[in-house]
Amino acid sequence: EAGVAQSPRYKIIEKRQSVAFWCNPISGHATLYWYQQILGQGPKLLIQFQNNGVVDDSQLPKDRFSAERLKGVDSTLKIQPAKLEDSAVYLCASSYWTSGGAAYNEQFFGPGTRLTVL
Amino acid sequence: AQSVTQLGSHVSVSEGALVLLRCNYSSSVPPYLFWYVQYPNQGLQLLLKYTSAATLVKGINGFEAEFKKSETSFHLTKPSAHMSDAAEYFCAVSGATNKLIFGTGTLLAVQP
Repeated sequence: EAGVAQSPRYKIIEKRQSVAFWCNPISGHATLYWYQQILGQGPKLLIQFQNNGVVDDSQLPKDRFSAERLKGVDSTLKIQPAKLEDSAVYLCASSYWTSGGAAYNEQFFGPGTRLTVL
Repeated sequence: AQSVTQLGSHVSVSEGALVLLRCNYSSSVPPYLFWYVQYPNQGLQLLLKYTSAATLVKGINGFEAEFKKSETSFHLTKPSAHMSDAAEYFCAVSGATNKLIFGTGTLLAVQP
């Protein structure tokens, strides 16, 4: 079974530029998550999709970050304009979880995209 | 609100020694708890999980953790460290929508 795919693996940009990350979840997984992992910290959820709907985006800085999962499969996370503090690893994960279903389903993580903002 | 606290951002052990990584949780409901491992430049891999069944949970690579409600703890242990165990370890609790709330991580170094 193929795992969660992410691209690019590494990205270096200047502040105020824009950047986009792509994630393809495991086939059949309804829920997709984007986490931000700043150096020295644990991952923090930015946004969670169930199919093509948003379940939780309470910690997404909506003035500069946007995300979409238009067809309920792959997803794109965008930052525009980037700030120095956006330097982090952006992790995508997916799971079978759906609201109203089991209380817990394992999340599977991709390798991440390491963003450096200069 | 749910949270986890990992005590010790860096732990160093000798090869063959006991590994003990500490995690305490805060939750208003019975928690689901997890330990993940992250190797350099890789994503997170699930080591083990507690989902309200047995309080002693066995995971991959010889790791285990014990859920202690009275101490609100979920410490990770391994009897004998191996060089390949060097990595960063994250404790996490699952929120209402299956999202994960992570601790700040513990970097484990294994000395030869």
